[in-house]
Amino acid sequence: EAGVVQSPRYKIIEKKQPVAFWCNPISGHNTLYWYRQNLGQGPELLIRYENEEAVDDSQLPKDRFSAERLKGVDSTLKIQPAELGDSAVYLCASSLLRDSGNTIYFGEGSWLTVV
Amino acid sequence: ELKVEQNPLFLSMQEGKNYTIYCNYSTTSDRLYWYRQDPGKSLESLFVLLSNGAVKQEGRLMASLDTKARLSTLHITAAVHDLSATYFCAGRRKTSGSRLTFGEGTQLTVNP
Repeated sequence: EAGVVQSPRYKIIEKKQPVAFWCNPISGHNTLYWYRQNLGQGPELLIRYENEEAVDDSQLPKDRFSAERLKGVDSTLKIQPAELGDSAVYLCASSLLRDSGNTIYFGEGSWLTVV
Repeated sequence: ELKVEQNPLFLSMQEGKNYTIYCNYSTTSDRLYWYRQDPGKSLESLFVLLSNGAVKQEGRLMASLDTKARLSTLHITAAVHDLSATYFCAGRRKTSGSRLTFGEGTQLTVNP
């Protein structure tokens, strides 16, 4: 079974440019997460979807970040315009809401460098 | 707000030795996760601990949870080089849905 798939894996952009990341969760998983991981730190949640609904976006910097999950499957995270401080790994994860163990599976991440 | 602290943050140990990584959390967490991350890779789920006294083992790793002390431990038995990685614990508050709060991670290096 395929895991969580993310693209692009690596992206280098100049500040003030836009960037978008795409995520395809594990088939059948209705909960999707975007986390940001700064170097040497643990991941921090940006946004969580249950099906198509964003149920937790309290930590998403809404002035420059946006996300969508059309049809409750794939998701896109956009940053516009990017700032130097946005350099990080953006991790997508998914889980099954009714899984009592609630294991959350992570993708390999999209590594962003803003120069 | 849930805060999660791990210690040590850096751990260098010899093959064959035992050691424990500690994970303290600040407020009620209804489950505790342990993940492994290799350099440049994503997080691999190791354990999900659901209740007080829960103990899970996989190979040379054993995780436990004491909800009264707000403490989880990851015990490494007879370490081997392949265990070198960064280990994260993460807690979840029931009131915050499925949001995980991660610790800073423990970077483990096992030397031959």
